Amino acid sequence: EAGVAQSPRYKIIEKRQSVAFWCNPISGHATLYWYQQILGQGPKLLIQFQNNGVVDDSQLPKDRFSAERLKGVDSTLKIQPAKLEDSAVYLCASSWTGGSTEAFFGQGTRLTVV
Amino acid sequence: AQKVTQAQTEISVVEKEDVTLDCVYETRDTTYYLFWYKQPPSGELVFLIRRNSFDEQNEISGRYSWNFQKSTSSFNFTITASQVVDSAVYFCALRSNSGYSTLTFGKGTMLLVSP
Repeated sequence: EAGVAQSPRYKIIEKRQSVAFWCNPISGHATLYWYQQILGQGPKLLIQFQNNGVVDDSQLPKDRFSAERLKGVDSTLKIQPAKLEDSAVYLCASSWTGGSTEAFFGQGTRLTVV
Repeated sequence: AQKVTQAQTEISVVEKEDVTLDCVYETRDTTYYLFWYKQPPSGELVFLIRRNSFDEQNEISGRYSWNFQKSTSSFNFTITASQVVDSAVYFCALRSNSGYSTLTFGKGTMLLVSP
């Protein structure tokens, strides 16, 4: 079974530029998550999708971050414009529906904003 | 609101020592699930174990064991006879069983195992 795919693995941009990350979840997984992990901290949920609908985006900085999940499969997370404090690893994960199911994570995208 | 606390920021041990990673959680839900993940230097979070709130049996998997105590809201993880390959950051996480609940992580414990 293929895992969660993310691209790119690394990205360096200047502040005020825009950037986009892509995620392809495990086939059949209805739930998709985007987490932000700042160095030395635990992952923080940015947005959670159930199929192509948003179920939690309470911690997403909506003035600069946006995400979509077209057709309930792939997802894109965008930052525009980026700030220095957005430097982090962005992790995508997917799971079957339900609280009991574990989430499977991709390798993440390491973003550096200079 | 859910909260997971991993008070140990970093632990250093010598190979073959036993080590316990602590996890304390807070939730108002009666049904919930606890998880442990490992994050090696490569960065990918690797699922280790899931435990539901109505099953307090301890679990052992090879050198890994987990102690779930509902009375103290703790879900501790022990590695027996640690090895260098166990060096990683370990995260405890919590999810309720209500609706499309969020998976909430602790801040993680970095384990360094030296030869």
